[in-house]
Amino acid sequence: EPEVTQTPSHQVTQMGQEVILRCVPISNHLYFYWYRQILGQKVEFLVSFYNNEISEKSEIFDDQFSVERPDGSNFTLKIRSTKLEDSAMYFCASSERDLNTGELFFGEGSRLTVL
Amino acid sequence: TQLLEQSPQFLSIQEGENLTVYCNSSSVFSSLQWYRQEPGEGPVLLVTVVTGGEVKKLKRLTFQFGDARKDSSLHITAAQPGDTGLYLCAGRLMEYGNKLVFGAGTILRVKS
Repeated sequence: EPEVTQTPSHQVTQMGQEVILRCVPISNHLYFYWYRQILGQKVEFLVSFYNNEISEKSEIFDDQFSVERPDGSNFTLKIRSTKLEDSAMYFCASSERDLNTGELFFGEGSRLTVL
Repeated sequence: TQLLEQSPQFLSIQEGENLTVYCNSSSVFSSLQWYRQEPGEGPVLLVTVVTGGEVKKLKRLTFQFGDARKDSSLHITAAQPGDTGLYLCAGRLMEYGNKLVFGAGTILRVKS
């Protein structure tokens, strides 16, 4: 069964370092998303991406964050200079169609710990 | 103010009991989804509802979408320990564009 895969599963980094989280969405999906979940809190939308550009982003997704689809398969989230409060589980998701009719499939997440 | 309220926050029941989890908003959902999330894993989609009044069944799980598309419920019949987990509702609220907004979730614990 096709699935969204994410790497790394866990990354520990020092405050101020750059981090890149990688995702391989399901191959025929066109819409890609990043969400995060701080421990014990709700899942929060970060950004959606379609047709090689950001279609929507939340207030959390500031200038420290960027997304890229460098090739036909990977979808990456970069945090330029990590802060302690960036520690969270980051989930990538993809859908075949937009969310009016499409269903969202999540990866298993990348746990980011900023020290 | 929460865009999407889930209740209860926590539910602990005995195996075999029935339960209902609720998801409410003051705004209209263009679509709503229910997810289940295990610790340390990503949410897994259970169902999507789009039409007001819609009812969908998934084995012992029954999902209902309110007629006005402002609320939804998840009913589990004869709960089993394997149903233990975090149940999340997530909806596209018509006032808030394309992003999927998640509720805080209901932690369900089913004791054997």
